[in-house]
Amino acid sequence: DVKVTQSSRYLVKRTGEKVFLECVQDMDHENMFWYRQDPGLGLRLIYFSYDVKMKEKGDIPEGYSVSREKKERFSLILESASTNQTSMYLCASTPSGISADTQYFGPGTRLTVL
Amino acid sequence: AQSVTQLDSQVPVFEEAPVELRCNYSSSVSVYLFWYVQYPNQGLQLLLKYLSGSTLVKGINGFEAEFNKSQTSFHLRKPSVHISDTAEYFCAVSEGNAGKSTFGDGTTLTVKP
Repeated sequence: DVKVTQSSRYLVKRTGEKVFLECVQDMDHENMFWYRQDPGLGLRLIYFSYDVKMKEKGDIPEGYSVSREKKERFSLILESASTNQTSMYLCASTPSGISADTQYFGPGTRLTVL
Repeated sequence: AQSVTQLDSQVPVFEEAPVELRCNYSSSVSVYLFWYVQYPNQGLQLLLKYLSGSTLVKGINGFEAEFNKSQTSFHLRKPSVHISDTAEYFCAVSEGNAGKSTFGDGTTLTVKP
């Protein structure tokens, strides 16, 4: 079974803090994705990565950055957290860049910014 | 550009009743279509997907969906629901070779005893 893990299930941070959300997958997948999930808005893509050290902006990249130094790990960084970044963050991976691929999701990190 | 519309944000239904969750998509090219389910406090997991071939797709937990190209729809159905089907359901569309999917806003299915 593919396993995607996220470093924290719940996280509480203060405005202005630098926040790191970590995601690790154990199936040698090429592609990894970060989404945020808000009620009534579905999943919105923040950033994705096709390979180590490669990254592409998604639909809502403002206020975020990412890092992929190793194939299995994809980090989402909030440089200076703000209250409007309070959300559920979901990481996903797929085996390759083929559009028929299923996305495999982690359990999510619920971030609260005070 | 691709987009997905889930026509119902909330669907309440009684146990053992049939259910249909509606999904329409918009795309200028051939697409792949997915339904994912999210149980409380969990990530999303795949229910079923349409890639090609038969337009009726069967998935896990007794769910099925029908791809209708002329109506650009991919509605999800189950003939008899259980309490355990209570969850949020997401329709998604993927096109091209980017490996990305666009997700709908989700439909919350609540099964009542």
